This record gives sequence, C-alpha cells and structure tokens, in this order.
Amino acid sequence: RKEVEQDPGPFNVPEGATVAFNCTYSNSASQSFFWYRQDCRKEPKLLMSVYSSGNEDGRFTAQLNRASQYISLLIRDSKLSDSATYLCVVNIGTNAGKSTFGDGTTLTVKP
Amino acid sequence: GAGVSQSPSNKVTEKGKDVELRCDPISGHTALYWYRQSLGQGLEFLIYFQGNSAPDKSGLPSDRFSAERTGGSVSTLTIQRTQQEDSAVYLCASSSNRRSSPLHFGNGTRLTVT
Repeated sequence: RKEVEQDPGPFNVPEGATVAFNCTYSNSASQSFFWYRQDCRKEPKLLMSVYSSGNEDGRFTAQLNRASQYISLLIRDSKLSDSATYLCVVNIGTNAGKSTFGDGTTLTVKP
Repeated sequence: GAGVSQSPSNKVTEKGKDVELRCDPISGHTALYWYRQSLGQGLEFLIYFQGNSAPDKSGLPSDRFSAERTGGSVSTLTIQRTQQEDSAVYLCASSSNRRSSPLHFGNGTRLTVT
C-alpha cells in the first residue's frame, strides 16, 4: 500500500462546478499536510497548507481528518485555469520531516 | 537567488555516458530532495538530505545513481552509464527545518538519453 494515495482521475468538470479531491495517508505519525498544483511540463508549486481546523483560500478549502487519515481539497466555482494536476503531500516525523507525495489527481475544467 | 536553481535545464546524452545534475537550494534550507518524473507520471522519490543526517537513499533505482550534498548546500545527482529509461525530468526541492515548512522546487533538468 502506498503511503499517500489519491484518486488519479481524471476529473472533467464544467466551468463553475464544485469539485472535491480526497487523499489518504497511512502513517499516523504524519505531522504536516499540503496541496500542490502541477501544470503540464512544469514543476509542482505550493497551493496551500492544510491546518487541523481546516482552512480556506478564496475558492479553495482544505480539510484534515486525522481520525480517518485523509485530507481533502474543495474547489468552488471552477475556472478553466484550475485545470492541472493536484498533488497531496504529507510530512512524516518531527520538525520538517520527510515529504511524501501522492501521484496526483488530474482536473480538467471545460467551458 | 531567491529560489531553487537547477542546471542544466536540458541535457541530451548518449546511452552509456555519465551525467551530473546540479541543484542549488534556497539559502538556509536544510532539507533537499531529488525526484524524477517521467512524462505523464507522478513524482518518483530518489533521495532526501536533512542537515548532517545520513541521507535517505531508499528511492535510488539502481547503483548507477548517486548523490552528494557538499557543505550542506549544493547537491549533485550523478547517473553513470545512462540508459534510455533514465530519460525524465529530474526535480530538486528544498525546505527549511521548521515544522509545516513546504517544499520549494527548482525548474528541473530534462534529461534525454539517446
């Protein structure tokens, strides 16, 4: 079993739709959680950190469920520019820990 | 520089040759990672350096791959006797030692083995 698992998709949604991705992790010692975005043929870039109480950044909402060991990303009012691969990242251990990436979920937003 | 710097950005080499890829992390970042990504695939972890600790080499695919990090800063990934299946984008990332510190990626080196 992979340490971090994501539904690879693809998710194909119309503009304006709301879409949610989940990511499960296996190590209960995981301490920090992030969502990254990767555009085609580009490097991954931090989208947002995920805090225990959940957090929101504009149209994006991230949540953490420690009991069930998953994190989620909700995108409201999808834009064409949201089309990308979304990577879930989990840090295991103290301090910065070691970052482990999921394989990503591909989102295509269509007009 | 403000970000993670990788060089070269592109490298074409003949099968059997050795290549060296360089990563210059953000100043002060103690953690440094190398990943490999083939077209349409996810990130494949290669190696992780954290401060003065022994590196985590568990992702290196074969003994043809090695990496060093000198003085806790610049890192070099070396691939000996390159094979066509080594063709991929090699990404370097660094982070600070603070909890909840995210990774910052370089632009990558696109390696093509002919």
